[in-house]
Amino acid sequence: DGGITQSPKYLFRKEGQNVTLSCEQNLNHDAMYWYRQDPGQGLRLIYYSQIVNDFQKGDIAEGYSVSREKKESFPLTVTSAQKNPTAFYLCASRSAGPLTDTQYFGPGTRLTVL
Amino acid sequence: QKEVEQDPGPLSVPEGAIVSLNCTYSNSAFQYFMWYRQYSRKGPELLMYTYSSGNKEDGRFTAQVDKSSKYISLFIRDSQPSDSATYLCAMSKGSNYQLIWGAGTKLIIKP
Repeated sequence: DGGITQSPKYLFRKEGQNVTLSCEQNLNHDAMYWYRQDPGQGLRLIYYSQIVNDFQKGDIAEGYSVSREKKESFPLTVTSAQKNPTAFYLCASRSAGPLTDTQYFGPGTRLTVL
Repeated sequence: QKEVEQDPGPLSVPEGAIVSLNCTYSNSAFQYFMWYRQYSRKGPELLMYTYSSGNKEDGRFTAQVDKSSKYISLFIRDSQPSDSATYLCAMSKGSNYQLIWGAGTKLIIKP
């Protein structure tokens, strides 16, 4: 089955800790994205990567970091510098086919800061 | 002013009704328009994809784009309780540009 997996589904973090959210895709997509979703708000772009070993900041990159060492993987680290990290985090990848702007999403990770 | 405006709702309608969901936008350069459906605590899934103006139909769903008015709509016919979800619109200027998202409209279909 092709798709995007995110783990863990739920994550709890103490203040001052860094945590890493996993995102893996087997769709052979070049582009991958991280979004943050807060209640009543749309998706806000954190980071994106168009190709391996390259990534760009989105609209709300402060307090987050990413790496793209493999095509299939795009982990997101939420650092202690992120002031309000409690949110639903979504990873997506983009097809290079006819629907070139279509993004496909993973199931999400819900992060809660204790 | 946001580039894409979408009423967050909630919109509550009885089962079987025709539902109309809408987004307005300000950037006339947008060419690609999408509707995603998101169930609670799940990732969004693509529902409809439209390029430029016109209508597109898929089963009970119809997507409509009016570029002259900068307005897009999603119609759901014969609505079912399983259609209860948040519907997000998204649009872009092209494949080298990022998607711009609406805030999402929460839809509730009452049995």
